[in-house]
Amino acid sequence: QKEVEQNSGPLSVPEGAIASLNCTYSDRGSQSFFWYRQYSGKSPELIMFIYSNGDKEDGRFTAQLNKASQYVSLLIRDSQPSDSATYLCAVNGNAGNMLTFGGGTRLMVKP
Amino acid sequence: NAGVTQTPKFQVLKTGQSMTLQCAQDMNHNSMYWYRQDPGMGLRLIYYSASEGTTDKGEVPNGYNVSRLNKREFSLRLESAAPSQTSVYFCASSPGTEDQPQHFGDGTRLSIL
Repeated sequence: QKEVEQNSGPLSVPEGAIASLNCTYSDRGSQSFFWYRQYSGKSPELIMFIYSNGDKEDGRFTAQLNKASQYVSLLIRDSQPSDSATYLCAVNGNAGNMLTFGGGTRLMVKP
Repeated sequence: NAGVTQTPKFQVLKTGQSMTLQCAQDMNHNSMYWYRQDPGMGLRLIYYSASEGTTDKGEVPNGYNVSRLNKREFSLRLESAAPSQTSVYFCASSPGTEDQPQHFGDGTRLSIL
């Protein structure tokens, strides 16, 4: 069974700090990796995706992928209270674009 | 600019009642999905439709049926609701290739008494 693991948190960081969110996956055949943000009572919202080993930057967000270690992470620089949410890691490895989601990490950014 | 639209947003049912959750997307996506989200369990795939005319079971299909009515619409039916089906249900769609993300609707909050 394919698994995607995340620390449930909460991860608490002060405003302006770097938040580091981590995700490991079991299926070595996985090809695409997605990070979603979910505010309480809302639906998941895509914030980043990455396909190749290395780093991908988009504004304050950086996704990092290491396929050899089966590890993907999300860094949030200059964290803001509005970043407080649950961050879901999702991994794709099948035809038909099925995603396997981790349980999510709750991030709290304190002013 | 609607994206993925789900109806209803909230519903309360009694055990044994049936209902259909509706989902429609206006992005011309090929693939559509139904998930449920429970506290501590994350998002779990119930059924998906890789393309119009096809449907397949996901991780937790028992107690549910689906219909891909056309390219835009994908419905989820509970034939005889049980309290264990109390959850938040999300519909999602994607273009259908593995490198493309899924886009989610706002969800349906379903309570079964």
